[in-house]
Amino acid sequence: EAGVAQSPRYKIIEKRQSVAFWCNPISGHATLYWYQQILGQGPKLLIQFQNNGVVDDSQLPKDRFSAERLKGVDSTLKIQPAKLEDSAVYLCASSLISGEQYFGPGTRLTVT
Amino acid sequence: KQEVTQIPAALSVPEGENLVLNCSFTDSAIYNLQWFRQDPGKGLTSLLLIQSSQREQTSGRLNASLDKSSGRSTLYIAASQPGDSATYLCAAPTGANNLFFGTGTRLTVIP
Repeated sequence: EAGVAQSPRYKIIEKRQSVAFWCNPISGHATLYWYQQILGQGPKLLIQFQNNGVVDDSQLPKDRFSAERLKGVDSTLKIQPAKLEDSAVYLCASSLISGEQYFGPGTRLTVT
Repeated sequence: KQEVTQIPAALSVPEGENLVLNCSFTDSAIYNLQWFRQDPGKGLTSLLLIQSSQREQTSGRLNASLDKSSGRSTLYIAASQPGDSATYLCAAPTGANNLFFGTGTRLTVIP
């Protein structure tokens, strides 16, 4: 069974530029999550989708971050404009409606 | 809001030792608890998931316990190996399966 796929794996941008990350969850998983992991910390949930609806986006900085999950499968997370403090690993995870979450390899973002 | 704490932050042990990693959480209204492993520069690998109705879960040399009433979980690793070196994270979901993570324990097993 294929796992959660993410791309790109690495991205370096300058501050004030925009960037987008892509995630393809495990087939059949209704729920998709985006987490931000800053160096030395545990991951923090940014947004949770169930099918193509948002369940929780309370910790998403909506002035610069946006996410969508069209057709309830793939998802994209966008940052515009990026700040230095956005440097982190962005992890995508998926699960059935609830229960065990499976994580992708992450995208490491460096903002200079 | 759920808060998860992991102690110790770092641990070094010689190969072959048994060890225990600790995780505590503030909101006991969880329906499961997950332990993950993270290698440098990599994503998270799920190790064990304990349902709230369970007390223990075992996989190979790993054993995780859960005590909801005291807000604690432990991960026991038997006969540690250099390949076990990684950061171990525990996470407790509340509400709509939102995982709250600790900051992890960085384990080094010395050959």
